[in-house]
Amino acid sequence: GENVEQHPSTLSVQEGDSAVIKCTYSDSASNYFPWYKQELGKGPQLIIDIRSNVGEKKDQRIAVTLNKTAKHFSLHITETQPEDSAVYFCAAKGNFNKFYFGSGTKLNVKP
Amino acid sequence: KAGVTQTPRYLIKTRGQQVTLSCSPISGHRSVSWYQQTPGQGLQFLFEYFSETQRNKGNFPGRFSGRQFSNSRSEMNVSTLELGDSALYLCASSLVGLRWGEYNEQFFGPGTRLTVL
Repeated sequence: GENVEQHPSTLSVQEGDSAVIKCTYSDSASNYFPWYKQELGKGPQLIIDIRSNVGEKKDQRIAVTLNKTAKHFSLHITETQPEDSAVYFCAAKGNFNKFYFGSGTKLNVKP
Repeated sequence: KAGVTQTPRYLIKTRGQQVTLSCSPISGHRSVSWYQQTPGQGLQFLFEYFSETQRNKGNFPGRFSGRQFSNSRSEMNVSTLELGDSALYLCASSLVGLRWGEYNEQFFGPGTRLTVL
């Protein structure tokens, strides 16, 4: 089955700096890659996604890039703010609605 | 539009007992998936239901089971609870069931925190 690896496991940045989280996947048939943000005591919240026919997608301060050849995709957050502090998960969609998740990145934005 | 709701939010059980968790998807969503989240194993897929049928299953023992009703609401059951079953159980819903090549966002509920003593 699919295997998704995510790095780094923790990331600490200064407010206003950029943050980058990287994921790799193993199954070349995976074609949809969402990113989730999970705050303490809450379920994961979809923040951005990318489909395999697109190389990059941007939504205000967040962007995601996908390299199908290398089988990796990344989340970029610019001008980070303290409220961006959370755990971020990448995922790859398998058959039907079976999603494989990365192990998570704890982002800490220092004011 | 109301989001995915899960009940109860917190649950404490003892080893050997069984538990039933409930999930109500977003209105109109027919696909419901369940995940187990633990600090050590992360988010792991349990199973997915679409139109009252289990379409996909993860690598969990038979003690974990689920079902979906005609109104798309879903329940999952864990029998003979073990200490290792302590986790956050998350439900996610999607507008339609997806095949390879089809996409739709999956939305998560707040989860049920199960503690097994």
